[in-house]
Amino acid sequence: GEDVEQSLFLSVREGDSSVINCTYTDSSSTYLYWYKQEPGAGLQLLTYIFSNMDMKQDQRLTVLLNKKDKHLSLRIADTQTGDSAIYFCAESMSPDTGRRALTFGSGTRLQVQP
Amino acid sequence: NAGVTQTPKFQVLKTGQSMTLQCAQDMNHNSMYWYRQDPGMGLRLIYYSASEGTTDKGEVPNGYNVSRLNKREFSLRLESAAPSQTSVYFCASSAGLGLLSPLHFGNGTRLTVT
Repeated sequence: GEDVEQSLFLSVREGDSSVINCTYTDSSSTYLYWYKQEPGAGLQLLTYIFSNMDMKQDQRLTVLLNKKDKHLSLRIADTQTGDSAIYFCAESMSPDTGRRALTFGSGTRLQVQP
Repeated sequence: NAGVTQTPKFQVLKTGQSMTLQCAQDMNHNSMYWYRQDPGMGLRLIYYSASEGTTDKGEVPNGYNVSRLNKREFSLRLESAAPSQTSVYFCASSAGLGLLSPLHFGNGTRLTVT
């Protein structure tokens, strides 16, 4: 079955880079996503990567995918206090069936210290 | 822009009581979802509705029922609440079941069952 794992906590200083890591087990994953959850709010899509890509960059965000090792990372450059949140990795399931449901990791809480 | 609206925000139930969580979206999305979020476990899919008139079970459907009342509204019902259903419930919607249809989340309902 599918399983997505993340470390629970990361603390960085403002201005440093943050790297949040994720491992997944479903080799048939087609898309992998990063969502951000701020306190008291729902999840917001940050970025996604297609499984045939190695890297995707979007402003301060860089997503790296190592499909061989089933490892996904999110790098946030010049981390700001507003980046403090919980970050969820998610993978798509069974695209051939037409079903659309994501498997989420348990989330990584990013704390940015001024 | 309201997006996805969930009511209530907070609820306390006694074991055995029933209640319905309401969700409405104003983005004309076809697909809607109910997830629960538990500490250290990420989000788990309870039920989803690919389009108006259809519903399907997700990963953890036991103890829940859903109704897709119309295109806008998707409700989640607990017929006989149990302490194991203490959780934060999120409703989400997407334009379709396609893998590039990002999920838009509501702000959640925090439910405690005593």
